[in-house]
Amino acid sequence: SQQGEEDPQALSIQEGENATMNCSYKTSINNLQWYRQNSGRGLVHLILIRSNEREKHSGRLRVTLDTSKKSSSLLITASRAADTASYFCATDKIGANNLFFGTGTRLTVIP
Amino acid sequence: DAGVTQSPTHLIKTRGQQVTLRCSPKSGHDTVSWYQQALGQGPQFIFQYYEEEERQRGNFPDRFSGHQFPNYSSELNVNALLLGDSALYLCASSFSIYKRSRAGELFFGEGSRLTVL
Repeated sequence: SQQGEEDPQALSIQEGENATMNCSYKTSINNLQWYRQNSGRGLVHLILIRSNEREKHSGRLRVTLDTSKKSSSLLITASRAADTASYFCATDKIGANNLFFGTGTRLTVIP
Repeated sequence: DAGVTQSPTHLIKTRGQQVTLRCSPKSGHDTVSWYQQALGQGPQFIFQYYEEEERQRGNFPDRFSGHQFPNYSSELNVNALLLGDSALYLCASSFSIYKRSRAGELFFGEGSRLTVL
C-alpha cells in the first residue's frame, strides 16, 4: 500500500483563491516532499520539508508538517489557472532510500 | 543540461509480449528509480538501481526486471505482459542517495505510456 494519502481527492477553486491540500502518512519518515504533475506527464518537485521542520515556504507555496499527527499540508496562495495539475506528497520511510507517493489531489483553478 | 529522458514515449503491445523501456538520468545523477503510474493513481515504486545493482524493490513480480549501465542509464523490462500492466512508466534520477542518510529530490522524465491490448 502507498505510504501517503492526499485529501481531498479533487479540488476546484476560482483563480486568486488559496488552495489547501492535505497528506497523511503511516510510518516515521525522514522527510516529506510535494510534487506536481500536469496531465499525463512527468512529476516536478515543488518542495521538501525535513522531519525536524514544521513549516517551509517557497514562493506562493507553504508546507507544514506535523510528525505527531503524521500529516502535512500544502497551501498554494493566490492560485492561477496554470496551477491546475495533480499534486502528490511523497515520503521516505526511515531506513529506506526510495520515495512512496500518495494518491494525489487533482486541483482545478478556474480562470 | 539535459534532464531525464525516456524512450519510447508511447507504445502498444499485446498480452504475452515483452517490452523494454529506456531512461537516461540527469547529468551528474547516478541513481535511477522506476515507477508505475496507473490512470488516476499515484506512482508506485518498482525498483531502484545504483552502481549497476538493484538496491531496493517494491511489490512487483519478477516479470519486472531492470538493468543499469556503466553510464548510469537504465532499462526496465517487463515480460509476459498483462492487460493490467497498461500504465505510465516513470523514470526518476537522483544523486548518490546511498551516500546520504535520507532520500532527496527526484527528477522525473516525461514517462513512457504503455498500452497492453
